[in-house]
Amino acid sequence: RKEVEQDPGPFNVPEGATVAFNCTYSNSASQSFFWYRQDCRKEPKLLMSVYSSGNEDGRFTAQLNRASQYISLLIRDSKLSDSATYLCVVNINNNDMRFGAGTRLTVKP
Amino acid sequence: GAGVSQSPSNKVTEKGKDVELRCDPISGHTALYWYRQSLGQGLEFLIYFQGNSAPDKSGLPSDRFSAERTGGSVSTLTIQRTQQEDSAVYLCASSRGHTAYGYTFGSGTRLTVV
Repeated sequence: RKEVEQDPGPFNVPEGATVAFNCTYSNSASQSFFWYRQDCRKEPKLLMSVYSSGNEDGRFTAQLNRASQYISLLIRDSKLSDSATYLCVVNINNNDMRFGAGTRLTVKP
Repeated sequence: GAGVSQSPSNKVTEKGKDVELRCDPISGHTALYWYRQSLGQGLEFLIYFQGNSAPDKSGLPSDRFSAERTGGSVSTLTIQRTQQEDSAVYLCASSRGHTAYGYTFGSGTRLTVV
């Protein structure tokens, strides 16, 4: 089993739609979780951290389910500019972090 | 520096040649990672440095790949006898050394082996 696995995508949604991505991880001792965004031919950039109690940043909501070992990202009222690849990141031990393969989102007019 | 700096930004090399890719992390960041990303693919972990600890080399695809980090700062990724399948974007990232902060990527080196 891979250390971090994501929905393969691609997700193609109309503007204004709500879309959710999941990411599962294998190490039950993992403590730190993030969502990164990567635009085409650009480096990944931190979108948001994922906290145990769940957290929200504007239209974006991140949640953690430790029992089932997955994190999720919900995007409400999606915009054209949300089109990108979304990567989940999980620490596998101490400071060693691993990326999921990414989920591609395309928001269409 | 203000961000993670990688050089060169683009490198075209002939099959069989050796290449060196450089990463200058954010000042004070103790953790440094190398990843590579082939066209349309996800990030592939290569190697991880944390302070003075022995690096985690578990992601290096073959013994043609090596990396070092001098003085806990600048890192060099070396690929010997390059092959066409080595063509990819090589990304470097650094962090403060605590996973709670996530980490920052450089803009990468696009390597093309012809």
